[in-house]
Amino acid sequence: GAGVSQSPSNKVTEKGKDVELRCDPISGHTALYWYRQSLGQGLEFLIYFQGNSAPDKSGLPSDRFSAERTGGSVSTLTIQRTQQEDSAVYLCASSLALSSTSTDTQYFGPGTRLTVL
Amino acid sequence: KQEVTQIPAALSVPEGENLVLNCSFTDSAIYNLQWFRQDPGKGLTSLLLIQSSQREQTSGRLNASLDKSSGRSTLYIAASQPGDSATYLCAFADQTGANNLFFGTGTRLTVIP
Repeated sequence: GAGVSQSPSNKVTEKGKDVELRCDPISGHTALYWYRQSLGQGLEFLIYFQGNSAPDKSGLPSDRFSAERTGGSVSTLTIQRTQQEDSAVYLCASSLALSSTSTDTQYFGPGTRLTVL
Repeated sequence: KQEVTQIPAALSVPEGENLVLNCSFTDSAIYNLQWFRQDPGKGLTSLLLIQSSQREQTSGRLNASLDKSSGRSTLYIAASQPGDSATYLCAFADQTGANNLFFGTGTRLTVIP
């Protein structure tokens, strides 16, 4: 079956521009996550959506970052006024996670490589 | 905040060798742990998931163990193959109930034919 897909696969932008990154989770998965993988930093959690609950935004590094999930499916991560330190690979994952306290394997998309010049 | 350390950062072994990758964490109040592999330019593939109540999980040539008291997890790969070459990441979910994962920085494995 189809896995998690992300678009674009690569994005090059100029400092100060806004960017939108898209994630299509696996059909039927109620939980969706965004992570960032920076060179030398490892993977860091950004935001988590679970069903219709309010998202866990505790990992967002600044108020320039926001995300939404429409209709419980597709998610968009928006970075406003991009900075060079935003350059990273942005990974999306989804899982069944039937409740906020259940745990399940997370399935990752291929990521979007963002380069801010 | 959970600190996750993976040693070594890189490892090269000849084909056929058994090997162990190490992962250590600072907070024993974990909810579960996962081992992932990441191939260049690709996302992460989940290999094994161990719940906090479990001690190990096995899948084919892979065996992952969890020792919460010592704050360690290991991934054992038997009879390594060139196709095992990848970066291996361990990750933990903590007991807040949230599902966000805390990742180690990974071990880059190269299996030499």
